[in-house]
Amino acid sequence: EAQVTQNPRYLITVTGKKLTVTCSQNMNHEYMSWYRQDPGLGLRQIYYSMNVEVTDKGDVPEGYKVSRKEKRNFPLILESPSPNQTSLYFCASSQLTVYKNIQYFGAGTRLSVL
Amino acid sequence: TQLLEQSPQFLSIQEGENLTVYCNSSSVFSSLQWYRQEPGEGPVLLVTVVTGGEVKKLKRLTFQFGDARKDSSLHITAAQPGDTGLYLCAGADFYGGSQGNLIFGKGTKLSVKP
Repeated sequence: EAQVTQNPRYLITVTGKKLTVTCSQNMNHEYMSWYRQDPGLGLRQIYYSMNVEVTDKGDVPEGYKVSRKEKRNFPLILESPSPNQTSLYFCASSQLTVYKNIQYFGAGTRLSVL
Repeated sequence: TQLLEQSPQFLSIQEGENLTVYCNSSSVFSSLQWYRQEPGEGPVLLVTVVTGGEVKKLKRLTFQFGDARKDSSLHITAAQPGDTGLYLCAGADFYGGSQGNLIFGKGTKLSVKP
């Protein structure tokens, strides 16, 4: 079954404790992306990757890191989480075609930073 | 900065009613997508429109892309409780902007009551 898998689904942590949210896709997509979703602000792109070893900042990259060492995985790293990073996070992947960027989303990771 | 404005933000209607959701921007997009998101899940693609003036139908849902490719609408005929969810529009700019940067509207939360 084609899917984007995020782990963990729920995470409660404390300020400053480094954490990683994993994302894996089995569709051989070149493009992967991370979003955060907040009430009243909608979905905002954090980082995206057009291919292995190629990453670019989205609209809200501050406080986050990503890496793309292999095609299927795109982890999101919070080196020193802060309470303003409490949010619902989504990973997505896509096979970019001309004019289209149709994204398949994971089920989400709900993060609380205390 | 490209923005997509969605309206209305909230919509509560009775089963059987018709409704229209709007997605507007001052920027031109190469393509525009509509997603539907249910609580606890990631967004799922409904449709992609690419050509100015394009109209696509998906059962009771009709999607239209504006002639100038700056706006789009989603019309639901005879809404059912199963249509309840968050509807998101998203624009991709393959000309002026980055191919990987997908801009999302803040969403329209639809509730259809039996």
